[in-house]
Amino acid sequence: AQKITQTQPGMFVQEKEAVTLDCTYDTSDQSYGLFWYKQPSSGEMIFLIYQGSYDEQNATEGRYSLNFQKARKSANLVISASQLGDSAMYFCAIAGGFKTIFGAGTRLFVKA
Amino acid sequence: EAQVTQNPRYLITVTGKKLTVTCSQNMNHEYMSWYRQDPGLGLRQIYYSMNVEVTDKGDVPEGYKVSRKEKRNFPLILESPSPNQTSLYFCASSPRDSLDVLTFGAGSRLTVL
Repeated sequence: AQKITQTQPGMFVQEKEAVTLDCTYDTSDQSYGLFWYKQPSSGEMIFLIYQGSYDEQNATEGRYSLNFQKARKSANLVISASQLGDSAMYFCAIAGGFKTIFGAGTRLFVKA
Repeated sequence: EAQVTQNPRYLITVTGKKLTVTCSQNMNHEYMSWYRQDPGLGLRQIYYSMNVEVTDKGDVPEGYKVSRKEKRNFPLILESPSPNQTSLYFCASSPRDSLDVLTFGAGSRLTVL
């Protein structure tokens, strides 16, 4: 069985600073994928970044990077140079075997 | 425009009155899935489909049914809704399986009285 844990229900960050959102996972699968999705207050789910379990380099997408530490089973999201529009709910997810398990989410507040 | 379309977006119904939430995608995706989102619990998978006529249970399938008669459509059926099915529902699709990026619908907010 797969499991995702996001331990930070809410976080504050100052505009233009970097922030790290924590995500740990547990799985017995050898092949799996780790995703981060953003949900703004409008409610839609937006894909941010993906890391495959066999990828040796950390994934990056613009201001988003995924700090993948396979031995520690962590997949933290780093947002650099936070913007007011980054205020949203962020979900970490693990996928494999046709199933996707989401964490409970972290609500990020960006302060001006 | 490539998209996943869910209807209705908002629905208030009463206990026991059968309802269907439709989901349609125009990207020729093989994989489709339904999730419910509840505060503090994130999104939980209800059912998924790997292709036409191939469906399987997710983590919270009780009280729900699905069908996949056509590749583009994946309706979610609540035969006898109960108040504990009050939730925000998302349909999503991907090209092949869960390891691909999911494209989500806009969500359907369901209230069962």
